[in-house]
Amino acid sequence: DTGVSQDPRHKITKRGQNVTFRCDPISEHNRLYWYRQTLGQGPEFLTYFQNEAQLEKSRLLSDRFSAERPKGSFSTLEIQRTEQGDSAMYLCASSSTTSGSYNEQFFGPGTRLTVL
Amino acid sequence: GNSVTQMEGPVTLSEEAFLTINCTYTATGYPSLFWYVQYPGEGLQLLLKATKADDKGSNKGFEATYRKETTSFHLEKGSVQVSDSAVYFCARSSSGYSTLTFGKGTMLLVSP
Repeated sequence: DTGVSQDPRHKITKRGQNVTFRCDPISEHNRLYWYRQTLGQGPEFLTYFQNEAQLEKSRLLSDRFSAERPKGSFSTLEIQRTEQGDSAMYLCASSSTTSGSYNEQFFGPGTRLTVL
Repeated sequence: GNSVTQMEGPVTLSEEAFLTINCTYTATGYPSLFWYVQYPGEGLQLLLKATKADDKGSNKGFEATYRKETTSFHLEKGSVQVSDSAVYFCARSSSGYSTLTFGKGTMLLVSP
């Protein structure tokens, strides 16, 4: 297993455009998380899934953000009508509730979004 | 709500010096505690963890002890190396062991 992967690694877009990011978790991990990290800050939780179900959303996740995990495997995070304040690193993590380390989250390399 | 506070950096040390990075957390529930490390240009990696009071997590010469009485989880290493230069994040789990709340990170710079 190669770990959590994210695509693209970098995205530059103009304000008002829509963007979509993809995350592929570690296989067999049933939980998938999205975080956002801005410069000089720690990651902030956005949302998480257990299998296909979106179980929790942060108040940071405005109506312009939507996340899906339709088959319980990969996930997408879409940002509509991007704003300059959306510029950040978007991190994906996964974990397994069935392993002994059920609360240990493994992170991907992130997608760096720049909104011009 | 849940929060994590860690000392501000950068922490600048010479090789073989002793390292301490302080971390305190809000005492709601019975969280698990973590230290993650982010090397330049790389993603977050779990360094060590502790799941209950008095547990000691350790890895690669780093240690941290879960202190419930002081709500602390300080990271220590007896002799740092240049290769330890990175940003270190302290984190706590939510009460439901689902999400993580991170501190702001502490940059460590080790010079030869």
